[in-house]
Amino acid sequence: GQNIDQPTEMTATEGAIVQINCTYQTSGFNGLFWYQQHAGEAPTFLSYNVLDGLEEKGRFSSFLSRSKGYSYLLLKELQMKDSASYLCAVRGGGQNFVFGPGTRLSVLP
Amino acid sequence: ETGVTQSPTHLIKTRGQQVTLRCSSQSGHNTVSWYQQALGQGPQFIFQYYREEENGRGNFPPRFSGLQFPNYSSELNVNALELDDSALYLCASSLEPAGGEADTQYFGPGTRLTVL
Repeated sequence: GQNIDQPTEMTATEGAIVQINCTYQTSGFNGLFWYQQHAGEAPTFLSYNVLDGLEEKGRFSSFLSRSKGYSYLLLKELQMKDSASYLCAVRGGGQNFVFGPGTRLSVLP
Repeated sequence: ETGVTQSPTHLIKTRGQQVTLRCSSQSGHNTVSWYQQALGQGPQFIFQYYREEENGRGNFPPRFSGLQFPNYSSELNVNALELDDSALYLCASSLEPAGGEADTQYFGPGTRLTVL
């Protein structure tokens, strides 16, 4: 079967750093994607990992360990606008993406 | 903006009715995937269309069907609507088989379907 786990909710303070974890078990692996989704809006692409290690994009970084079936999204210098759901998605052996349930992040002043 | 458009934005139907949702893919993309997202959950894969043919299907009954047209736009049809079909329906376009980060799926704004 295919399964992706993420924490349901997280809270952090403006200016802080937060790490959102994702563990996965899928049939095959062809990349892991992170998306941000504000309430009532479509998911927007944040980052992509296919090899082990850290990918950095400005305030956002994403890490992958294929042997552990584990990824995290790191958000630095949190801003109020970062309050959103963060979705981890794995492209397995087929053509489709499998999405996790999402982590709802609340950034407090 | 991803360049992916969907219509309508919102829709209200009653149980047993049929509905058609539409999606126009981003310019240059040849693949459209459809997802159902219930409130507070992640998107669930319905099916994908590549060059006008179904190219993978999730765990949805046959009353969920689709089409892709020569211009790569797509339709999602749902027959015999049930209350549990109430959700946000998202389409995502991509370029296949691009490989790597180019496989990224870009989402439209979604259609909010309410079944009463």
